[in-house]
Amino acid sequence: DVKVTQSSRYLVKRTGEKVFLECVQDMDHENMFWYRQDPGLGLRLIYFSYDVKMKEKGDIPEGYSVSREKKERFSLILESASTNQTSMYLCASNNRGAHGYTFGSGTRLTVV
Amino acid sequence: KNQVEQSPQSLIILEGKNCTLQCNYTVSPFSNLRWYKQDTGRGPVSLTIMTFSENTKSNGRYTATLDADTKQSSLHITASQLSDSASYICVVKGAGSYQLTFGKGTKLSVIP
Repeated sequence: DVKVTQSSRYLVKRTGEKVFLECVQDMDHENMFWYRQDPGLGLRLIYFSYDVKMKEKGDIPEGYSVSREKKERFSLILESASTNQTSMYLCASNNRGAHGYTFGSGTRLTVV
Repeated sequence: KNQVEQSPQSLIILEGKNCTLQCNYTVSPFSNLRWYKQDTGRGPVSLTIMTFSENTKSNGRYTATLDADTKQSSLHITASQLSDSASYICVVKGAGSYQLTFGKGTKLSVIP
């Protein structure tokens, strides 16, 4: 069964901490994405990557960075966590030209 | 600006009844439209993916329709079950783009 695995289901971090959210896919997909989901706002794209070491800003990249050193792993980094980054974070992946996306189960991050 | 509007925002139905969820979009040029089911606290799971040339697609008790001329889609759920309680998200991909445009979802509650 194909999988996108997010390392944590729930995280609680303090304001100002550096936070790493990890995402691993086992489908050899080229494209990987990070979204955040907030009530009333739907899913919004933070960053995506279409190849190793390549990254593109999405709609709301401010306060975030990403790293893709290996094809299967895409990390989202909050350099200095703030309370407005409390959210559900979803990772997704697909192959170039494919119609379907596979989502991870999500990480619920709370910044206190 | 590309937009996806879903209606209703929320819906409560009795177990065993049918229901229809609506999705209108302005994304152009169009590539495909997907319906996802998202259980509370989990990542979205794909139900159907429809391209320009498809106007009906079924997945068990779920039937999606697409009218690419009017830019409308619907998701019909037959003989609802308690496990159908979830948010249903309509997502549209534009042609030649990595990016998806997400609707805000319809929250369906099926009650006994």
